[in-house]
Amino acid sequence: QKEVEQNSGPLSVPEGAIASLNCTYSDRVSQSFFWYRQYSGKSPELIMSIYSNGDKEDGRFTAQLNKASQYVSLLIRDSQPSDSATYLCAVNLDNYGQNFVFGPGTRLSVLP
Amino acid sequence: NAGVMQNPRHLVRRRGQEARLRCSPMKGHSHVYWYRQLPEEGLKFMVYLQKENIIDESGMPKERFSAEFPKEGPSILRIQQVVRGDSAAYFCASSPVTDAYGYTFGSGTRLTVV
Repeated sequence: QKEVEQNSGPLSVPEGAIASLNCTYSDRVSQSFFWYRQYSGKSPELIMSIYSNGDKEDGRFTAQLNKASQYVSLLIRDSQPSDSATYLCAVNLDNYGQNFVFGPGTRLSVLP
Repeated sequence: NAGVMQNPRHLVRRRGQEARLRCSPMKGHSHVYWYRQLPEEGLKFMVYLQKENIIDESGMPKERFSAEFPKEGPSILRIQQVVRGDSAAYFCASSPVTDAYGYTFGSGTRLTVV
């Protein structure tokens, strides 16, 4: 059974702090990794993708990937109350099928 | 350039009725995926389709659930003889033909079985 694991939270951080979200996966052959943000009652929204080891930055978001350790993380700098949502880690098991396995999500709460 | 369109947004069915959920992919996308999200749970893959073909249905329950993506028209997820446990949010996503892009989800259909 291929698995993607995340801390369920809730993770609470004060406004302006760095929020760190972690994700581990079990399948060593996974090639593509994604972070989605989901507000309550809404659909998931793609915010970051990462395919190679290292860091990828996009505005206040930084995704980090370490394939040897099988983890991917998302850092949110200068957290805002509007960042309060559930963050879903998704792993693409193989590039052909594009069958994504989602983690259970981490609920982030940014306190003003 | 419309995104992935799902309808209806909300659907209420009595136990034993049929539910039909529709999904129109983004323009130029020929791959469609259906996911289910139970209350307080993560997204679970159900089925992956291309036009007129089911590519991967490993996440579909063996009974009562079916999906299609005809040559013309939207993709349809059909649930026959619904039960209360089918109450969930059903999301559709689409992607282009090539490469493993993260795909875009529609707004979802929230099915409630009473």
